[in-house]
Amino acid sequence: QSALTQPASVSGSPGQSITISCTGTSSDVGNYNLVSWYQQHPGKAPQLIIYDVLKRPSGVSSRFSGSKSGNTASLTISGLQAEDEADYHCCSYAGSTTPWVFGGGTKLTVL
Amino acid sequence: EPQLVESGGGLVQPGGSLKLSCAASGFIFSNFDMNWVRQAPGKGLEWVSYISSTSRSIYYADSVKGRFIVSRDNAKNSLYLQVNSLRDEDTAVFYCATLAGNRDYWGQGTLVTVSS
Repeated sequence: QSALTQPASVSGSPGQSITISCTGTSSDVGNYNLVSWYQQHPGKAPQLIIYDVLKRPSGVSSRFSGSKSGNTASLTISGLQAEDEADYHCCSYAGSTTPWVFGGGTKLTVL
Repeated sequence: EPQLVESGGGLVQPGGSLKLSCAASGFIFSNFDMNWVRQAPGKGLEWVSYISSTSRSIYYADSVKGRFIVSRDNAKNSLYLQVNSLRDEDTAVFYCATLAGNRDYWGQGTLVTVSS
């Protein structure tokens, strides 16, 4: 039950684009199109921004997009805004007996 | 609107126990598999436990297996987590969550602090 690997931190200036990677294995990310991404502001519960690798829930900005290649999923945020500064967590389905595995989280700083 | 509200957290000594609860409203709770997810201070999210909609299937993370027990009462729209033999490293905010794709619902969390 190893956690997915995310960079500890990323940063970007307003208006720029950033990408956060989430690397798993052939048993989780690589085997299922069930990767989700969450945004979490300090002291708040995680909020879903991407599910099923690339789908956006209603109400989530189109500036957020998801993709996957092999065992690595990615979250791209375009047109960075100050309000995007938060922690981002990836999550993947990992099979029936260990259904879910999360990444260690990535802190996004908007410079 | 779907809502999950956790309760039951608090300060407990190492080796102690607590029972966490999660009250659901605004959706058909009995149709959803449920999960407990925790977050230690300053750390990432960690999946803890899963229970299917009928309670037929139950799974735990290795870190809590044998110490935590998940259950649910669909008649009361409630999810529970009995946490036993608590260790310092169990200190965390515990969330209940559906983790069901677009039907993803989380509570606000309840803090469990293990300290002597």
